[in-house]
Amino acid sequence: QQKVQQSPESLSVPEGGMASLNCTSSDHNFQYFWWYRQHSGEGPKALMSIFSDGDKKEGRFTAHLNKASLHVSLHIRDSQPSDSALYFCAASEHGSSGNKLIFGIGTLLSVKP
Amino acid sequence: AQTIHQWPVAEIKAVGSPLSLGCTIKGKSSPNLYWYWQATGGTLQQLFYSITVGQVESVVQLNLSASRPKDDQFILSTEKLLLSHSGFYLCAWSLWGGSSYEQYFGPGTRLTVL
Repeated sequence: QQKVQQSPESLSVPEGGMASLNCTSSDHNFQYFWWYRQHSGEGPKALMSIFSDGDKKEGRFTAHLNKASLHVSLHIRDSQPSDSALYFCAASEHGSSGNKLIFGIGTLLSVKP
Repeated sequence: AQTIHQWPVAEIKAVGSPLSLGCTIKGKSSPNLYWYWQATGGTLQQLFYSITVGQVESVVQLNLSASRPKDDQFILSTEKLLLSHSGFYLCAWSLWGGSSYEQYFGPGTRLTVL
């Protein structure tokens, strides 16, 4: 079973709309969570990190973490066509050797003009 | 500013042939380096990591090997390619080995094995 599970697998929202992506982990050793975004044909780029319970807001992006339930979400307000990409949730353990990141399968976001 | 360069951009190779992919990081001394593999449209799987020159740790066995001959260079190779090696290979770096440090990815190499 995947240690980091994401939903939905794909999502379509209209331009200006709200996109909500979810991530759940099955491993309580995970302490650090990341959202990465990958545009087609490019390497992924970190959008946000979240390490503490609660919300973290950066511009149009808000991440939420509930450590008790190991649930992480990402909300994109006022979605733009340029936000269309593959979004990965990634998690790592405190003190993991080699800074091992475990990635989910991704959510493919499409923002329609 | 740090830059990460991967070569080649893309490769088409025959099953059973050798492979060598490279990665160079400029503007950062003694970074931690990583190799990832991504199936088309799929998740990322960490393959190797290196904390220092000459030291490489394997995370998953895929009949591949990695080496770090210089502080800023990371090489991924195999003597005999399999069809299952097709995919997108990504090199990444981070400041330190701590789990709270962001990993920065390169542009990737697209490998097609026929």
